[in-house]
Amino acid sequence: DAGVTQSPTHLIKTRGQQVTLRCSPKSGHDTVSWYQQALGQGPQFIFQYYEEEERQRGNFPDRFSGHQFPNYSSELNVNALLLGDSALYLCASSPPGQVLYGYTFGSGTRLTVV
Amino acid sequence: QKEVEQDPGPLSVPEGAIVSLNCTYSNSAFQYFMWYRQYSRKGPELLMYTYSSGNKEDGRFTAQVDKSSKYISLFIRDSQPSDSATYLCAMSEFNNRLAFGKGNQVVVIP
Repeated sequence: DAGVTQSPTHLIKTRGQQVTLRCSPKSGHDTVSWYQQALGQGPQFIFQYYEEEERQRGNFPDRFSGHQFPNYSSELNVNALLLGDSALYLCASSPPGQVLYGYTFGSGTRLTVV
Repeated sequence: QKEVEQDPGPLSVPEGAIVSLNCTYSNSAFQYFMWYRQYSRKGPELLMYTYSSGNKEDGRFTAQVDKSSKYISLFIRDSQPSDSATYLCAMSEFNNRLAFGKGNQVVVIP
């Protein structure tokens, strides 16, 4: 059973560009959450999607946006990239009724902004 | 003040030693407490979770929560080289958002 799949694994972008990261949740999971993990830091909550809608959002600017598709997969979009956006972006999926304890994280997308 | 404080200093211990990790927090609304393990180039994986105050044991791992002191701990007994990883504490008010500590890098020396 494939777990959470994220693509691409690594990405290098130039300041000011836009980027789209993708996440396929684990089979049977319907909720997708995105986290940003800077080097040497713990993950920071960006937002969570359920039933194709943003259910909750962390303290991130509007440059960060997302989408969830009918098959539960999700995208994270970041516009007007800043050097400080360089981080590991983690996607986590959860099954119905077990949002907290059922989190399964992907291996992440390493974004480098130059 | 950050919601969750975890001293990020690396920890090196000999194989078989007890590893002790801890976090403090400021948000008294936190009710759910978790410990995650993260290997290099991987996402975090859930190790232990507890609700409210108390202790929980699972094999070589023990998690403790003291809500009155806003302090949580993780103990790893008989540590093995395979336990070498970064350990992250995480907590939530049950509003679906996890607040993480910075993580402790643990190295178990054979």
